[in-house]
Amino acid sequence: DTAVSQTPKYLVTQMGNDKSIKCEQNLGHDTMYWYKQDSKKFLKIMFSYNNKELIINETVPNRFSPKSPDKAHLNLHINSLELGDSAVYFCASSHLRGQPQHFGDGTRLSIL
Amino acid sequence: AQTVTQSQPEMSVQEAETVTLSCTYDTSESDYYLFWYKQPPSRQMILVIRQEAYKQQNATENRFSVNFQKAAKSFSLKISDSQLGDAAMYFCAYRSPEGARLTFGEGTQLTVNP
Repeated sequence: DTAVSQTPKYLVTQMGNDKSIKCEQNLGHDTMYWYKQDSKKFLKIMFSYNNKELIINETVPNRFSPKSPDKAHLNLHINSLELGDSAVYFCASSHLRGQPQHFGDGTRLSIL
Repeated sequence: AQTVTQSQPEMSVQEAETVTLSCTYDTSESDYYLFWYKQPPSRQMILVIRQEAYKQQNATENRFSVNFQKAAKSFSLKISDSQLGDAAMYFCAYRSPEGARLTFGEGTQLTVNP
């Protein structure tokens, strides 16, 4: 059983398009996250939701908008895609306090 | 803000040998959590080992163990009896007890030579 699943695994699109990445977890966790891994493999948090409430909102362009319909789902919508958005985006989940985060397999976003 | 530093961008080890990956961090907190994650070429992020700062005993998971030196703010990962499947990027990560985010180091690319 997949614990944290995100779709799609690969996303190739053109500049200016709008795209979404979906994430679901079946671990019963109350907190979900989006991380961005750049071309140098550096991982940085973008957003976090706890029980559908936004608790972390890093300095990210407002073209990026997360949405959490319930605590098992966290989606990421990106408007007007730019070349610099090319990266691997990871969804993760955990209980809020100190527990390890479990990651999805990542979505590689490539902007042409 | 907390920072995590991995000073070895690349390491290599012979199969069956032991290798140690370094990690240092900067924090003013007394209680926190530290993790090592492994990212093989498949891109998955796999939890290798975790350490709670309030525990003096170093964590161990099979062939993986840590050397946690709280005063020195050091958290190194030792891999014993290295296997080809250990080849991956290894990330050290820090988490506050009250905070949600993981702060990652830059990663160390480990190569295992047959």
